[in-house]
Formats: sequence, structure tokens, C-alpha cells
Amino acid sequence: EVQLVESGGGLVQPGGSLRLSCAASGFSFSSYWMSWVRQAPGKGLEWVANIKEDGSEKYYVDSVKARFTISRDNPKNSLYLQMNSLRAEDTAVYYCARRQWLVGKDLMDYWGQGTLVTVSS
Amino acid sequence: DIQMTQSPSSLSASVGDRVTITCRASQTISSYLNWYQQKPGKAPKLLIYTASSLQSGVPSRFSGSGSGTDFTLTINSLQPEDFATYYCQQSYSSPLTFGQGTNVEIK
Repeated sequence: EVQLVESGGGLVQPGGSLRLSCAASGFSFSSYWMSWVRQAPGKGLEWVANIKEDGSEKYYVDSVKARFTISRDNPKNSLYLQMNSLRAEDTAVYYCARRQWLVGKDLMDYWGQGTLVTVSS
Repeated sequence: DIQMTQSPSSLSASVGDRVTITCRASQTISSYLNWYQQKPGKAPKLLIYTASSLQSGVPSRFSGSGSGTDFTLTINSLQPEDFATYYCQQSYSSPLTFGQGTNVEIK
């Protein structure tokens, strides 16, 4: 059974940092792209970042570029999101998701339960 | 960035109704369109990928159609467990973008 379990969320002051983790199990982690998607309270979904199977390619939404870093540790089956210079508008539930990117299709088929990040003084 | 616009933003329907949700892309995205269902406090769940392919385990009352810029999610014979928010998402180009969501409520 595919499982994704996020952790690391919490309350942080504006300008602060936080590192989110996502523990993967039930599939060959090193064979898949992975993604972070967030959802502000009462709002819709926003894609945040993607990382290639071997970590050699990373992509970000403009609003987090230069502040957030996606990374992975394949031997540990873990995905990370290092968030620096946090702003109030980064307050959201952060989901990790498995991405299937093959010829003709590109989708996020499994999602974790999410971890809440609150940026407030 | 490609903008995704869903309509309606919300709708009320009864069990057994047929429901249609529309998603329009600001430019052509071929068939790179996915649909997700989200219930309150839960993670999104993939329903349809590549515009019309049903994800494994998803009931056949869900179907998707369209290509280019206009897409539709149809739920035939709405069931109590289908009351949720539905999102379309384009995977044609980065940044990946979602529609604003359609909330399906009980009439």
C-alpha cells in the first residue's frame, strides 16, 4: 500500500524557517518524481515544487523561488521542503504527492494527509 | 502561466442527479487535464487523468471529456459520498495550475 506521511509543520514567526518531511512507503520511491502542493485555509490547491527521481531537476512556483528548496533522500525514502523567509501568505496545509510523469500523462496519484504550517507573530 | 477556470464555483444537487462541472484553460493544454476530489479535512484524490481516463478504483459514474481548452467532469447518479469539492489541474506546462474548485453540496 502506498503511503505518504508528512511531518514538520507548526507555528513559525514571519521571516523564520521550517523543514517539512514526507516519509514514503509501499512503492519504489526512487522511481518517481515527487511534488509539494499547498492549500491555504479555506482556499484552493496550489502546486509548490517538483523534484525528479534522482533529484537532478527541481521546479518551483514563482512565489517560493529562492525561499523554498525541495530535496529528497532516496535511500531513506524521504522528501523534504526547506522553507526560509516565511511569510504570512505561506500559511497553508502542505501535501506531498507522488507524481507519475510518463509519455502522454502527468498526474499526482497519491497524496499524504498534509501538515499545517502557520506563519504568524 | 496557464489559468484554469471552473464553473460553476458551487452547485446544489440531489442524490441521483447528473452533475456536470466545466473547466476552461487559458490556452490549449491538449489532454493534460486531471480532476481531483477533496472532502473537508482530507487530501485530494485523483479521479480522472489525461482528460478522460478513470483512475483505478474510482467508480464508473465519474467520467471526463474534452481536449484543447474545454473540459468536463460528469458524475452520473450522484451518491451521498460524492458531496465534495472538485478541482481540475493542468499538467501541460509548469507551473502546474489548478482551477479554483467546485463545491458540490446537498440540495
